Amino acid sequence: DQQVKQNSPSLSVQEGRISILNCDYTNSMFDYFLWYKKYPAEGPTFLISISSIKDKNEDGRFTVFLNKSAKHLSLHIVPSQPGDSAVYFCAASGPNAGNMLTFGGGTRLMVKP
Amino acid sequence: ETGVTQTPRHLVMGMTNKKSLKCEQHLGHNAMYWYKQSAKKPLELMFVYSLEERVENNSVPSRFSPECPNSSHLFLHLHTLQPEDSALYLCASSQDYRVEQYFGPGTRLTVT
Repeated sequence: DQQVKQNSPSLSVQEGRISILNCDYTNSMFDYFLWYKKYPAEGPTFLISISSIKDKNEDGRFTVFLNKSAKHLSLHIVPSQPGDSAVYFCAASGPNAGNMLTFGGGTRLMVKP
Repeated sequence: ETGVTQTPRHLVMGMTNKKSLKCEQHLGHNAMYWYKQSAKKPLELMFVYSLEERVENNSVPSRFSPECPNSSHLFLHLHTLQPEDSALYLCASSQDYRVEQYFGPGTRLTVT
C-alpha cells in the first residue's frame, strides 16, 4: 500500500505558465515533506522541502504548499521554463523514520516552448 | 570529484554472475542509502547505513548484500540475480538525521 501517491503520471504546461504538481499521503505521522527533480540519466536532486509546522515554503520560482487536514501537498512552479521538464518526486518522512524517506511514483513535467 | 558518485553507470550481468556496485560520497555525510527504481514504480529504499548501524527493508532478497566499510563508501554486492532485478540502483547520502538526501547518478542494471 503506497503511503505517498502522485496520481498524475504526467503534466504538460506552456512555457511561462504555472505548473502545479500534486502529492497525497496517507500516514498522518509524516511531518516533513520534500520534492526532488530527476533528469534522465541523473539521480534525483533535492528541490524544496516543508515541515508540517508550516503550510507554505517558497524558494524562487518554486513554492510548496501543505494542507495537513487533507494530507495533500503541491509544488507550484511559476513561471515554468523548458529546463524544468523532468520527473518530479515528492517524498515524506516521520519522526520515527530516522533518515528514511517514502517516495511517490513521480510526475513527468513537460514544459513546451 | 564532488557530490555522490556511482560506478559502473551501466552493468549487464547474467543470472549466475557476481558483481558489485560502488558508491562514494564526497560531502562529509555520515549516512548512506541504496534505493531501487524499477520502471513505473516509486523509489524503493533497500538499505540504510547511519552512524555505523544498518537498517534494511525486509522485502529485499538476500541476493543483494550491502557493505559499508566507512562513512564515505558503500557497496552493493550482487549474486544470482533474477531478470526482475533489472532496474536503476541509486545511492544517496545525508548528514545525521537531516532528511535532505543527495543522490548519485545511479547504475542501470540489466540481468539477462
